[in-house]
Amino acid sequence: NAGVTQTPKFQVLKTGQSMTLQCAQDMNHEYMSWYRQDPGMGLRLIHYSVGAGITDQGEVPNGYNVSRSTTEDFPLRLLSAAPSQTSVYFCASRHTGGPANEKLFFGSGTQLSVL
Amino acid sequence: QQQVKQSPQSLIVQKGGISIINCAYENTAFDYFPWYQQFPGKGPALLIAIRPDVSEKKEGRFTISFNKSAKQFSLHIMDSQPGDSATYFCAANTGTASKLTFGTGTRLQVTL
Repeated sequence: NAGVTQTPKFQVLKTGQSMTLQCAQDMNHEYMSWYRQDPGMGLRLIHYSVGAGITDQGEVPNGYNVSRSTTEDFPLRLLSAAPSQTSVYFCASRHTGGPANEKLFFGSGTQLSVL
Repeated sequence: QQQVKQSPQSLIVQKGGISIINCAYENTAFDYFPWYQQFPGKGPALLIAIRPDVSEKKEGRFTISFNKSAKQFSLHIMDSQPGDSATYFCAANTGTASKLTFGTGTRLQVTL
């Protein structure tokens, strides 16, 4: 029972480099999302998806792209990394369809440093 | 714009004491208020949640108190234990909307 799996756990990039953070869930959750966590700022929503082929922006989407080709996977792409994107990134998922399904399941995070 | 304001930023409580973390919100459309607990190196995990049709919800040593008129809610941890040392986040959401808004977090340390 893997839950939400994020890879890699740690990554160091140079400014301008691109990379993809991977997220996979095995709970058949319709909803998936990406958050970034910064000291003193809590968790801020970057992008989310309510199903395959459907994505939408969250609070801080600039500099990030997402796609949802399957129910299981929701990768986050940084096209040209900037030092301001240094953060811990969390993927989270849940079922949709009512109050009983509002519990978010989080992955263990990816710590990204952009130099 | 911080839609959910959380305080204090950090909290030190002795073992056996009561830990209290407060949150205030602005959007009156919010109708789901969860608390998440995060240990170092881990992702947040749902601890307890409340809806505005009740003023209090208790699960074991953890209690949420909710004041709809003041637009405030708080987490009380009774008989705090060293194992409760973690970061706690309050959050709020609207109906079945997907944009869960988090507070800035409270780092709790329970000392022996």
